[in-house]
Amino acid sequence: DTGVSQNPRHKITKRGQNVTFRCDPISEHNRLYWYRQTLGQGPEFLTYFQNEAQLEKSRLLSDRFSAERPKGSFSTLEIQRTEQGDSAMYLCASSLLLGQGANYGYTFGSGTRLTVV
Amino acid sequence: TQLLEQSPQFLSIQEGENLTVYCNSSSVFSSLQWYRQEPGEGPVLLVTVVTGGEVKKLKRLTFQFGDARKDSSLHITAAQTGDTGLYLCAGAAEEYGNKLVFGAGTILRVKS
Repeated sequence: DTGVSQNPRHKITKRGQNVTFRCDPISEHNRLYWYRQTLGQGPEFLTYFQNEAQLEKSRLLSDRFSAERPKGSFSTLEIQRTEQGDSAMYLCASSLLLGQGANYGYTFGSGTRLTVV
Repeated sequence: TQLLEQSPQFLSIQEGENLTVYCNSSSVFSSLQWYRQEPGEGPVLLVTVVTGGEVKKLKRLTFQFGDARKDSSLHITAAQTGDTGLYLCAGAAEEYGNKLVFGAGTILRVKS
């Protein structure tokens, strides 16, 4: 297993365009998370899936953002009508949730750096 | 308002010096993790602590979880230039849906 893979690594887009990012998690992991990180800040939670079910979305996530995990494997994050404020590093992580919510650490991908011009 | 407050925000030291980074919260966490992140990459897990008062050592790094499970510290002995990076603490708690919430991080720069 090569870890969590994210594509593309970098994306430059014009304001108003739609973009889609892909994340391939570690195959044995049942949870997949999307975070956003801006310069000088820690990762900020966006949404997560347990298998194919999307269990939570951040209140900070506008309706321009949508995420899917159609077969409980890879996930996509789409941003419609991008704005300059969407510029950030988008991080995907996966983990194996055991028992009563015990979480033993995330494996992050290298992220997708989005620049909206 | 950050759920996890990290201090200091930035630390610049000489190679060979010792340092401590702190992570504090008013919330109780079921587990707390430390990650290290390099520019342009995702965070990499260093350690997970789950028991109040727990101390874990990873070579020159010592991690401690507070007795009340509200705070943690990371101590580095004899820092090396390769320790340079962003150190993030992250906590999991049932009230947050057991997803990780992150602090803003401490940027460590070790100079030769």
